[in-house]
Amino acid sequence: DTGVSQDPRHKITKRGQNVTFRCDPISEHNRLYWYRQTLGQGPEFLTYFQNEAQLEKSRLLSDRFSAERPKGSFSTLEIQRTEQGDSAMYLCASSANKNSPLHFGNGTRLTVT
Amino acid sequence: QKEVEQNSGPLSVPEGAIASLNCTYSDRVSQSFFWYRQYSGKSPELIMSIYSNGDKEDGRFTAQLNKASQYVSLLIRDSQPSDSATYLCAVNIASGNTPLVFGKGTRLSVIA
Repeated sequence: DTGVSQDPRHKITKRGQNVTFRCDPISEHNRLYWYRQTLGQGPEFLTYFQNEAQLEKSRLLSDRFSAERPKGSFSTLEIQRTEQGDSAMYLCASSANKNSPLHFGNGTRLTVT
Repeated sequence: QKEVEQNSGPLSVPEGAIASLNCTYSDRVSQSFFWYRQYSGKSPELIMSIYSNGDKEDGRFTAQLNKASQYVSLLIRDSQPSDSATYLCAVNIASGNTPLVFGKGTRLSVIA
């Protein structure tokens, strides 16, 4: 068990560019979550998967954001046409089931200039 | 009303004292409750889970849950400077669609 892995750790991009982040969950966990966190705030839910099915998306999630989890293993989060307001830490987490705790990766820090 | 509320702090305690962190939540049927510790620039790290009313102890940490009052707390005994961090309360809001809702966190500072 190597824990949740996220790549890249840091991403700096110019406004209007597209970015993609990757998350590899703990191997025996079938639930995978994406959260976003800005300074002074708690993690904010974006979306989650159970196996390959995307079960819920936050109403706050712009249509510029899309996530996939092909084959129920790793997941990608893509942000199209980035805006400065997208600058945040993007956190991926996984869990074994609905009531289990979430285990977080190290996060991807996005800076949009 | 926000779903999970915490006092943002900072909460300052002297080394060796007991730090008490509090959290209230809005959904009466919530089933699972978690405390995470987050150091500056790092991701949240799970420190306690609690699912039933009462106290749960793990080393210097004690989580307390009172579902009737919709209140969960974390006590840290013999506080150390290394405990200085932001503590996030997280609740599984059963009636909503969000799997785990986090509070804004309480910043704890342990003064040597």
